[in-house]
Amino acid sequence: QKEVEQNSGPLSVPEGAIASLNCTYSDRGSQSFFWYRQYSGKSPELIMFIYSNGDKEDGRFTAQLNKASQYVSLLIRDSQPSDSATYLCAVNIDDMRFGAGTRLTVKP
Amino acid sequence: GAVVSQHPSWVICKSGTSVKIECRSLDFQATTMFWYRQFPKKSLMLMATSNEGSKATYEQGVEKDKFLINHASLTLSTLTVTSAHPEDSSFYICSATGGGSGANVLTFGAGSRLTVL
Repeated sequence: QKEVEQNSGPLSVPEGAIASLNCTYSDRGSQSFFWYRQYSGKSPELIMFIYSNGDKEDGRFTAQLNKASQYVSLLIRDSQPSDSATYLCAVNIDDMRFGAGTRLTVKP
Repeated sequence: GAVVSQHPSWVICKSGTSVKIECRSLDFQATTMFWYRQFPKKSLMLMATSNEGSKATYEQGVEKDKFLINHASLTLSTLTVTSAHPEDSSFYICSATGGGSGANVLTFGAGSRLTVL
């Protein structure tokens, strides 16, 4: 079983809609969870991270953790074409482990 | 915020030559740096964890004699791809923790795209 799994997509949403990205992880002891955005040909950049004690909202982005089901989600409200990218979920187990990423396309 | 500088951003070399990639933390001390490799449309794959002043820890399947990692100071780690071959062509990305954003937050360099002819 892979440690961090994501649906590869592509996920396509219209501009202004809510994009919902999900990630499941295998290690129940994981304490910190990260979402990175990666544009084509570029390196990942951190969007936000949460610890196991709660969700977080930052502007249009909300990260939510469901510990019982072992998944973490990223919601992007009012999606913009500039949000089109691959979104990488990462979980800190003994070190940082990344999912394969979900490609998001926001159509104008 | 924390900045990690990676150089060169792209390099083309002939098969059999060696290529060195540098990774620097510009405004913080990085006791641990990580080297990733990413093939097109694939996920980041951790190659090795580099600790200042000690030998790097390589992931299973990564040849330590081919991918030489040196972390001689708190702000510099280097990856040398020795005797590069076309199958080593990839996007190599370094990252570091310790930038102050929070525990275990990774700051990535811009990446180095290696093409071996």
